[in-house]
Amino acid sequence: GAGVSQTPSNKVTEKGKYVELRCDPISGHTALYWYRQSLGQGPEFLIYFQGTGAADDSGLPNDRFFAVRPEGSVSTLKIQRTERGDSAVYLCASSLNPTSGGGSYNEQFFGPGTRLTVL
Amino acid sequence: KQEVTQIPAALSVPEGENLVLNCSFTDSAIYNLQWFRQDPGKGLTSLLLIQSSQREQTSGRLNASLDKSSGRSTLYIAASQPGDSATYLCAVRQLGDTPLVFGKGTRLSVIA
Repeated sequence: GAGVSQTPSNKVTEKGKYVELRCDPISGHTALYWYRQSLGQGPEFLIYFQGTGAADDSGLPNDRFFAVRPEGSVSTLKIQRTERGDSAVYLCASSLNPTSGGGSYNEQFFGPGTRLTVL
Repeated sequence: KQEVTQIPAALSVPEGENLVLNCSFTDSAIYNLQWFRQDPGKGLTSLLLIQSSQREQTSGRLNASLDKSSGRSTLYIAASQPGDSATYLCAVRQLGDTPLVFGKGTRLSVIA
């Protein structure tokens, strides 16, 4: 079956511009996560959705970052007034049900990422 | 705050060697631990997931162990191949929380 997909794969923008990054999770996965990975670092958590609602947005660095998941499937990460420090790979992951008792339900599957470059 | 450390940061071995990658975490109250592989410019591929109640998981030439009380996990790769060259990331999920906390990874090169 299809895995997690993310578009675009690469995005180059100018400082101060607005960008949107899209994530299509695995069909049937209720949980969706956004992470950000800077060069040479491990991914860092940004925001987590359970269904349509943001269950935890504690990782968003500031109010320029916002994410939505209006129908509980596709999610869009939005960045306003981009800065050079926002340049990174933005990763999306999904899982069946993170609060279930165990097994593979809480295993997170990652997409290929969107490489954002802010000039 | 949970911190995950991976040692070594980089490793180069000749083909055919068995090798061990190390992961340590500061807070032992974890729900599970995942090992991932990341190829250059690519996303993460899940290799193994170990629940907190488990001691190890195996998949092919890979074996991951978990010692929750000491805050350690190891990924053992048997008979390494050039195709194993990649960055290996360890991540833990806390109890009552869902985001993964990652280490910085170990960059592995297997030389033919």
